[in-house]
Amino acid sequence: DVKVTQSSRYLVKRTGEKVFLECVQDMDHENMFWYRQDPGLGLRLIYFSYDVKMKEKGDIPEGYSVSREKKERFSLILESASTNQTSMYLCASNSGYEQYFGPGTRLTVT
Amino acid sequence: TQLLEQSPQFLSIQEGENLTVYCNSSSVFSSLQWYRQEPGEGPVLLVTVVTGGEVKKLKRLTFQFGDARKDSSLHITAAQPGDTGLYLCAGVRGGSNYKLTFGKGTLLTVNP
Repeated sequence: DVKVTQSSRYLVKRTGEKVFLECVQDMDHENMFWYRQDPGLGLRLIYFSYDVKMKEKGDIPEGYSVSREKKERFSLILESASTNQTSMYLCASNSGYEQYFGPGTRLTVT
Repeated sequence: TQLLEQSPQFLSIQEGENLTVYCNSSSVFSSLQWYRQEPGEGPVLLVTVVTGGEVKKLKRLTFQFGDARKDSSLHITAAQPGDTGLYLCAGVRGGSNYKLTFGKGTLLTVNP
């Protein structure tokens, strides 16, 4: 079974802090994705990566950056957290069209 | 622009009832997936449909891909409380480098 893990299930940070969300997949997938999920807005793609050190902006990249130094690990960075970044963050990986999601990180920025 | 429209947005039914949820678009998709997401968890893939007109069954769930590959439906027979969750459809457009376009989902509640 494909397994995608995320470093934290719940996280509370203060405005202005730098936040790191980590994601690891164990199936040697080429592609990895970061989404945020908000009520009424659905899943929105922040960034994705199609290879080590390669990244591409998604639909809402502002305020975020990413890092992929190893194939199995994809990190999302909030350079200076703001309250409007309070959300559920979901990591996914795929090989082919089917995506496999991690359990999500519920981030609250106060 | 929301490329995939799901309806209804919310659905609350009694155990044993049947239901259908819809996923519609004006765009053609090379494939379409259905996911179920339980509260506090990530979405879990249920099925992928690829061919226009394709029908797939997963126990009490029946998935259909429209002939023109622009829409899909999910039918649940004799719903159970364990079917409760957010049902998401997601489509891949040709040449998208495996990026998915997600609908906003249908939140289903099955009451005992």
